[in-house]
Amino acid sequence: DQQVKQNSPSLSVQEGRISILNCDYTNSMFDYFLWYKKYPAEGPTFLISISSIKDKNEDGRFTVFLNKSAKHLSLHIVPSQPGDSAVYFCAASDGRMGNEKLTFGTGTRLTIIP
Amino acid sequence: SAVISQKPSRDICQRGTSLTIQCQVDSQVTMMFWYRQQPGQSLTLIATANQGSEATYESGFVIDKFPISRPNLTFSTLTVSNMSPEDSSIYLCSAETGSTDTQYFGPGTRLTVL
Repeated sequence: DQQVKQNSPSLSVQEGRISILNCDYTNSMFDYFLWYKKYPAEGPTFLISISSIKDKNEDGRFTVFLNKSAKHLSLHIVPSQPGDSAVYFCAASDGRMGNEKLTFGTGTRLTIIP
Repeated sequence: SAVISQKPSRDICQRGTSLTIQCQVDSQVTMMFWYRQQPGQSLTLIATANQGSEATYESGFVIDKFPISRPNLTFSTLTVSNMSPEDSSIYLCSAETGSTDTQYFGPGTRLTVL
């Protein structure tokens, strides 16, 4: 049972345009969501997170939007840069009873076209 | 955040042998975790490494196959025992500090079993 889904395995975007990566979840107990970027042969790098009490969080070029009623979150990168080319994972945690484990989506490979 | 190192970065092992992976964090952390990323797959949690007590394993993972130690607040090891080619994966450790619910990842250990 895939509780966190990224339905687009790949995405190509022109440099300078906006990249939008999507993520859906099924577990209504998830209350904290994160986005990670992963280059080949490296561990995931934390990008940005959002708590379920918010619907938007922004950090520089990265903005995460959360729609709890739709169980959907998205990551916006603007403007997109060649260095953004990587695999992006969304992840979610259920904070009940100290259960901090992360459930990851399957990833979206983002390619920025110069 | 936390800076995490892993050793070895990669290894090629023979079927039936065991490999111990080390994870070192540059500061004391509350939680440490071990994940596996099989080829083309997402990250899957193996276990939570508990300081001073037995690790907490996720469904499908057992202590006899993946023994874990965590002798202090900055160090943990994962052993992959009696390896088979199906154990070929990237193994990642992560750590969560007490101040946030964000997990930071090490660079990973790429294991190939022949």
